Amino acid sequence: QVQLQESGPGLVKPSETLSLTCTVSGGSISSYYWSWIRQPAGKGLEWIGRIYTSGSTNYNPSLKSRVTMSVDTSKNQFSLKLSSVTAADTAVYYCARTLSIFGEDWFDPWGQGTLVTVSS
Amino acid sequence: VMTQSPAFLSVTPGEKVTITCQASEGIGNYLYWYQQKPDQAPKLLIKYASQSISGVPSRFSGSGSGTDFTFTISSLEAEDAATYYCQQGNKHRITFGQGTRLEIK
Repeated sequence: QVQLQESGPGLVKPSETLSLTCTVSGGSISSYYWSWIRQPAGKGLEWIGRIYTSGSTNYNPSLKSRVTMSVDTSKNQFSLKLSSVTAADTAVYYCARTLSIFGEDWFDPWGQGTLVTVSS
Repeated sequence: VMTQSPAFLSVTPGEKVTITCQASEGIGNYLYWYQQKPDQAPKLLIKYASQSISGVPSRFSGSGSGTDFTFTISSLEAEDAATYYCQQGNKHRITFGQGTRLEIK
């Protein structure tokens, strides 16, 4: 079965760029959308954006100006970059396979999540 | 916007649990339910408002369409302690409900 694993620095300084990678195992990354979702401590879930294996992206309008996603099909990986981070970007970041039909998305499975703290 | 209620429930094992989610505009049946246990990733329980997911216990069910949706646990078990979220996936404006934390009495 497909499994996802996030990786990247757990601590990022304010104003710098947060970079995370999600590695997909147990199946091919091809022909699916893949999303990033985050969750501040004790709070709800926020969808950040998604990428198709062709490289086509869709981002949450509230984050669009700071988000870049990319995909490397040869490594079965996709990545997130979030620029100009502040303390408000401190959260657990999840990657998830995105099932999409007629423009309607849901998520299954999810990675275990990785905590990113923004602090100097 | 998805409005989920209640925010917190404390229920005795064996009892029925009902959580509601209201969309600010009609979304057909494009509504999904997730379970998140402490320090774990969310897990998909229900898709298309009422379709069960393979491997998910049959005590979990969903209903509704348009703007009003319901998630039900028919007979609560201790292992169901978690936070439950609804999600709508409408054309890249993906949003989650605020979550319902379910405590076992």
